[in-house]
Amino acid sequence: TQLLEQSPQFLSIQEGENLTVYCNSSSVFSSLQWYRQEPGEGPVLLVTVVTGGEVKKLKRLTFQFGDARKDSSLHITAAQPGDTGLYLCAGAAGGTSYGKLTFGQGTILTVHP
Amino acid sequence: KAGVTQTPRYLIKTRGQQVTLSCSPISGHRSVSWYQQTPGQGLQFLFEYFSETQRNKGNFPGRFSGRQFSNSRSEMNVSTLELGDSALYLCASSLGGSSNEQFFGPGTRLTVL
Repeated sequence: TQLLEQSPQFLSIQEGENLTVYCNSSSVFSSLQWYRQEPGEGPVLLVTVVTGGEVKKLKRLTFQFGDARKDSSLHITAAQPGDTGLYLCAGAAGGTSYGKLTFGQGTILTVHP
Repeated sequence: KAGVTQTPRYLIKTRGQQVTLSCSPISGHRSVSWYQQTPGQGLQFLFEYFSETQRNKGNFPGRFSGRQFSNSRSEMNVSTLELGDSALYLCASSLGGSSNEQFFGPGTRLTVL
């Protein structure tokens, strides 16, 4: 059974601060996706990383996939109140694991003005 | 391109009843996956359908079932509802490869009384 450990579970910071969310596993994933979810809504895809060591930037968000494709991180620079939400990492095992994503428990981020 | 749609958005049922939830994927997407989201367990994979065939299944009891139609629309059914089935049920669509990005609908909030 593949597991994804996501940390921290909760983050409460002031506007303008930087933060990093981590996603770790002992298993190898063929790809890893990051989502953001608002209360009562479905997760919205932010990025997909596929290659070990890959770094992707989306405005103030930087995503990294570990060299061994077992871990990933999300770094937000100069957080804003609009970044508040639940951040989820999700790994795809590949092979015959069709349509199955393994999710981390999520990080609830609150950015105070 | 229209996103994933789910109906209904909210449902209230009583124990012992059954329920059917519907999902329409993004046009051109042939894979539909279903997830259950609860505060305690997070997002857990239920099953995935592609071209009307179930290709993958999570660890849920047989009371949870699904099907997919020729137009890729999918339904999931939960029979003999239990209090613990109260959750946000999410469907996600993708092109169909094992590592393809998944795009989620807004979910159906099921409350079992």
